[in-house]
Amino acid sequence: GIQVEQSPPDLILQEGANSTLRCNFSDSVNNLQWFHQNPWGQLINLFYIPSGTKQNGRLSATTVATERYSLLYISSSQTTDSGVYFCAVEAMDSSYKLIFGSGTRLLVRP
Amino acid sequence: SQTIHQWPATLVQPVGSPLSLECTVEGTSNPNLYWYRQAAGRGLQLLFYSVGIGQISSEVPQNLSASRPQDRQFILSSKKLLLSDSGFYLCAWSVPRSVDNEQFFGPGTRLTVL
Repeated sequence: GIQVEQSPPDLILQEGANSTLRCNFSDSVNNLQWFHQNPWGQLINLFYIPSGTKQNGRLSATTVATERYSLLYISSSQTTDSGVYFCAVEAMDSSYKLIFGSGTRLLVRP
Repeated sequence: SQTIHQWPATLVQPVGSPLSLECTVEGTSNPNLYWYRQAAGRGLQLLFYSVGIGQISSEVPQNLSASRPQDRQFILSSKKLLLSDSGFYLCAWSVPRSVDNEQFFGPGTRLTVL
């Protein structure tokens, strides 16, 4: 089945710094989503981005489907950005099923 | 707007006891519904999904079962819990028959089996 790898596994930033999180996947996808899991466990949808570039405030994401990777950019990080960021993909031969990476754990220090 | 509810929020159960977790969705009709489990410190794994009442697909052979008795209700059950059933259970929904299968998650149920 499709493999999803996220890097780095852990990241510590000082408030105000920028960061880039990466998601590599091993096969073609119908769907790619980025989530932020807050300390209470809630999964918050950040982007639905099977291809192209999107921006939402301080966050932006780019997916290059032909090269099988996606990037999540966080600018001017805040302590509330702390948590775990997950990339999840739906393979073209597997409708409905989201395959999650193991996440990037981000800690933003004041 | 659509809202997804899960209860209970937390649950502590002894080994061998039964389990029933409930998920309901408001604000949409005939949603696709999903149950995922997250083990501590890891990503999510799809357990079941449903495209309609009484239609359940199982992804992982396990000690659990799912049912969809009503259009917007999804239930996760077990007759006898195992220690390995501990984890964080999340329900999700997506728009039916959509090209864009964006999934939206509920608040989750944290289950501890002792």
